[in-house]
Amino acid sequence: NAGVTQTPKFQVLKTGQSMTLQCAQDMNHNSMYWYRQDPGMGLRLIYYSASEGTTDKGEVPNGYNVSRLNKREFSLRLESAAPSQTSVYFCASHERQGGNEQFFGPGTRLTVL
Amino acid sequence: EDQVTQSPEALRLQEGESSSLNCSYTVSGLRGLFWYRQDPGKGPEFLFTLYSAGEEKEKERLKATLTKKESFLHITAPKPEDSATYLCAVRQTGGFKTIFGAGTRLFVKA
Repeated sequence: NAGVTQTPKFQVLKTGQSMTLQCAQDMNHNSMYWYRQDPGMGLRLIYYSASEGTTDKGEVPNGYNVSRLNKREFSLRLESAAPSQTSVYFCASHERQGGNEQFFGPGTRLTVL
Repeated sequence: EDQVTQSPEALRLQEGESSSLNCSYTVSGLRGLFWYRQDPGKGPEFLFTLYSAGEEKEKERLKATLTKKESFLHITAPKPEDSATYLCAVRQTGGFKTIFGAGTRLFVKA
């Protein structure tokens, strides 16, 4: 039982390049999330997927797209990376109902030059 | 607007010196308040969920409490291994979005 896994762990991009961050969970959770974490600002929600087949914008969606590939996998795509997207990205999951806690992946550290 | 504010930003303690971290929140209908621990270079790790004012939960040297406007994370006789960033978050009734505070960085010196 690996929990939430993310790939890659580190990535350096040049401005304008594209990439996809991968996330998978093996806990049979319905809901999945993408956050970014910047110093002094806490975790901010980019996109979420309440259940398989649905996605919704969070607080800071501009410059990102997501795909809920199946119940296990939720990917985040940067179409044209900008230096402002330099951050640590976390994927999380939790059960759909109740006040359940979220389970987080180890993060992807992205630098855009 | 839903908001979570944590204080202090950083806290330095000597081993054995008890203290408290504060989380003030405003939310239109609280579904749950969460505390997480985050070690450097890792993802947040769940500690507690509190659902209603007056509720308390304990785990080893940590105790979380909740009122209608704030939550406290009390740390009793901390050890160096308690050094981490502690995050507070709230989820609104009927919603999927969780709002996080910026965290309190705790340093415990032996």
